[in-house]
Amino acid sequence: GAVVSQHPSRVICKSGTSVKIECRSLDFQATTMFWYRQFPKQSLMLMATSNEGSKATYEQGVEKDKFLINHASLTLSTLTVTSAHPEDSSFYICSAREPGQGFTEAFFGQGTRLTVV
Amino acid sequence: AQSVTQLGSHVSVSEGALVLLRCNYSSSVPPYLFWYVQYPNQGLQLLLKYTSAATLVKGINGFEAEFKKSETSFHLTKPSAHMSDAAEYFCAVSLPGSARQLTFGSGTQLTVLP
Repeated sequence: GAVVSQHPSRVICKSGTSVKIECRSLDFQATTMFWYRQFPKQSLMLMATSNEGSKATYEQGVEKDKFLINHASLTLSTLTVTSAHPEDSSFYICSAREPGQGFTEAFFGQGTRLTVV
Repeated sequence: AQSVTQLGSHVSVSEGALVLLRCNYSSSVPPYLFWYVQYPNQGLQLLLKYTSAATLVKGINGFEAEFKKSETSFHLTKPSAHMSDAAEYFCAVSLPGSARQLTFGSGTQLTVLP
């Protein structure tokens, strides 16, 4: 199957700094990528849908200014957590779907464990 | 709007025993349904999917699931559990032709006892 690479896998940052997480589709072009957040022992919560060349669509309750999403190319989407605080510590996962009008499978990155100290 | 409910946040089975993880869905239109597995600190791997073809779907690692419209269910089964099956399992739903978002259930942690 297709591969989605997420980097870094783990990051520790100081409170008040910003962290960028990258999500790349390695062998297909993804016009749409999704960013999820997962708290310990909980499910994945969709944060935003990232569309190449346009603004991301954020889910209700997700702060757009805090979680900046950029989808500058068909193979790369980035999530920047700005002015991070300890409560932003979480597991962040991206996914990308192969293009097509019908059903296409979603492939997930390996996730990024963010710890804000 | 679509949603899925996974009954049982934790399931324990003995090695070699039947695995049954339950998932019920709610959708205004015939949905696409999925089961994913997640190992610690990793992303999600697709086990199997239902996309309106055969109602009995076979996936990887010996797992299968049956779509039952009358029961709005999509339970995941495996005849004989292996130690390597211990992981978190998520049921998910997507609407055909939508923005292709996946809505996940709350997850079921499967423990396999020796």
